[in-house]
Amino acid sequence: GENVGLHLPTLSVQEGDNSIINCAYSNSASDYFIWYKQESGKGPQFIIDIRSNMDKRQGQRVTVLLNKTVKHLSLQIAATQPGDSAVYFCAVNGGGGADGLTFGKGTHLIIQP
Amino acid sequence: NAGVMQNPRHLVRRRGQEARLRCSPMKGHSHVYWYRQLPEEGLKFMVYLQKENIIDESGMPKERFSAEFPKEGPSILRIQQVVRGDSAAYFCASSPAGQGNHEQYFGPGTRLTVT
Repeated sequence: GENVGLHLPTLSVQEGDNSIINCAYSNSASDYFIWYKQESGKGPQFIIDIRSNMDKRQGQRVTVLLNKTVKHLSLQIAATQPGDSAVYFCAVNGGGGADGLTFGKGTHLIIQP
Repeated sequence: NAGVMQNPRHLVRRRGQEARLRCSPMKGHSHVYWYRQLPEEGLKFMVYLQKENIIDESGMPKERFSAEFPKEGPSILRIQQVVRGDSAAYFCASSPAGQGNHEQYFGPGTRLTVT
C-alpha cells in the first residue's frame, strides 16, 4: 500500500526565516500531490498542489518541489510568520485516478519570535 | 460562498450507541470524501461518494460503518454500536471532480468521543 511519511515530526524556526518541510512517498504511480495546513481544532486547509508533469510550483510565500526520481516532495515557506504555526501534511493520490488521498503523519511547524 | 459544512462539531456517545455525522459539500461539488484522524496522526481515507453512489469504500471498516450521499440532503457517515476505538475526528471533503486528481476542500470536522 501507499506509504507517505515526513522526515521530521517537529520543525522549529525563527520568525522571518525560511522553512522547508519534507515528504517521501512510495507509489510511483501517484501523479497529484498536495500540501495542507492544519491548525489546532480545524480541518486541513489547502496550501498548494502540484501534478507530476511539473517539478516546481510557486504560490504566495510557498514553493512546492517534486522529485519523482526519488519520490520526494518538499514545501518551502519563505519569511515565516507566527500565523504559519500549524501542522503541515503532504497528501498524494494513488495514481491512475485512484480515489481518495493518502496523508502523511504531519510536521508540526513552530515559529519562534 | 459557504465552504464544506459538517455537523455536529462535537459528538459524545456511550459505547453501543449510534453516531450520525453529516456533511454538506461546497456548492457545485458533487464528490464527497470522508476521512478519519486519530490524535497525532494524519488523515486516513475512508470512503468516496458521488450523489446516490458509493464509488470507493476501501478505507471503511467492514462492520458498523456505512455512508450515503442521497440525491437531496447532506452526506451521512453512520457508525453503529460505537466502541471507544471509534473516538477520533472525522473530516469530510468535497471536490468539483473526482478520482483523487483535484483539490479537496475540507470541512471543520466532527470530533467523536465515545465514553
